[in-house]
Amino acid sequence: AQSVTQPDIHITVSEGASLELRCNYSYGATPYLFWYVQSPGQGLQLLLKYFSGDTLVQGIKGFEAEFKRSQSSFNLRKPSVHWSDAAEYFCAVGGFGNEKLTFGTGTRLTIIP
Amino acid sequence: GAVVSQHPSWVICKSGTSVKIECRSLDFQATTMFWYRQFPKQSLMLMATSNEGSKATYEQGVEKDKFLINHASLTLSTLTVTSAHPEDSSFYICSAREDRLGRSTDTQYFGPGTRLTVL
Repeated sequence: AQSVTQPDIHITVSEGASLELRCNYSYGATPYLFWYVQSPGQGLQLLLKYFSGDTLVQGIKGFEAEFKRSQSSFNLRKPSVHWSDAAEYFCAVGGFGNEKLTFGTGTRLTIIP
Repeated sequence: GAVVSQHPSWVICKSGTSVKIECRSLDFQATTMFWYRQFPKQSLMLMATSNEGSKATYEQGVEKDKFLINHASLTLSTLTVTSAHPEDSSFYICSAREDRLGRSTDTQYFGPGTRLTVL
């Protein structure tokens, strides 16, 4: 069975500071990995995805994520956060021929001035 | 590109009535769409997978007679909550997988969600 763990329920960072959101997955084959962001009362916006190739993937809004197979991780990073980055972040896993996505429980990001 | 819309964005209804929610892919075709339910401060729970021209596949524990799904075209899927009750109040989100070269791709694009409140 596939699963995603986001160990941090809530993270608070200062504006301009760096950010890393953790994501660990369990998947029986080569995973497809995704990060989505959700603002309050809104749907999910795709930040970035990993299917294969370069393990460091770049996304929108200055985010990047690194796939580490040995650690079953796909952590999201941003070098300098902006107040507008405050939102809920979801990591998800799927796979080739597996149309379903499994989501983590989310990490709520708060930005302080 | 890859925009998904939902209508309505919010709806309030009386207990016992039915509510229809539309999910449209605006600039791409989607053979496969998904319906999720999200409770406050929780993750998304997949309710069903909707395939154009065929019956939807429901997740375990989801009542197919209560949550009717119709995927009549490559750009539209609807979710009808029949005989709604207060416990059906929730945030419903749809997603669509873009078709390219005649096959469904592996990236889901999400709609903005519909807030359903049943009184």
